[in-house]
Amino acid sequence: QLQLQESGPGLVKPSETLSLTCTVSGGSISSSSWYGGWIRQPPGKGLEWVGTIYYIGNTYYNPSLKSRVTISEDTSKNQFSLRLSSVTAADTAVYYCARTGPGILTGFGYWGQGSLVTVSS
Amino acid sequence: DIQLTQSPSFLSASVGDRVTITCRASQGINYYLAWYQQKPGKAPKLLISAASTLQSGVPSRFSGSGSGTEFSLTISSLQPEDFATYYCQQLNSYSYIFGQGTKLEIK
Repeated sequence: QLQLQESGPGLVKPSETLSLTCTVSGGSISSSSWYGGWIRQPPGKGLEWVGTIYYIGNTYYNPSLKSRVTISEDTSKNQFSLRLSSVTAADTAVYYCARTGPGILTGFGYWGQGSLVTVSS
Repeated sequence: DIQLTQSPSFLSASVGDRVTITCRASQGINYYLAWYQQKPGKAPKLLISAASTLQSGVPSRFSGSGSGTEFSLTISSLQPEDFATYYCQQLNSYSYIFGQGTKLEIK
């Protein structure tokens, strides 16, 4: 059974860079058919798609965050990562990593439990 | 950019009711739409992919329909465990945005 686990600091200072890693177990990320995603949810608010990585590092980002977001993968560790630069309090959220089944049309069926990141000095 | 609009934003219903949530896309997305259920403090759960494909283990009282710009999620007979927040997500054009959510509450 595929499992995802987010890891990274729970507290980031304003103007600094938020970094999170998603470790995938139970299946390889080195597949041409999988899509990995980062989704965030500010306290009490809805889900916001941050970005997606697909096969050999192809990436797609939310236009509202595109200038600050980088998603990358490390196939040797079966991980993909999120970096969000120049953070403000508005970036405080639970950050989820997620993965599709074979192909984007299958939807994000596998999720981590979420990692709360607070932006505060 | 494609926008998704869910309606209603809040829905109050009773156990046994039939409810429908609508998701409208600002431009056609074929059938590239998924539905998720989220309970407080938990990660979202995928219910339906490709607009109408029920995921394994999801009760058959859930169903999805639609294509193009208008989609719906229907729960045929609400159960106590169905009270949650529901989101649609478009999976087209490399912009996998979510609708704003529909909170389903017990009347």
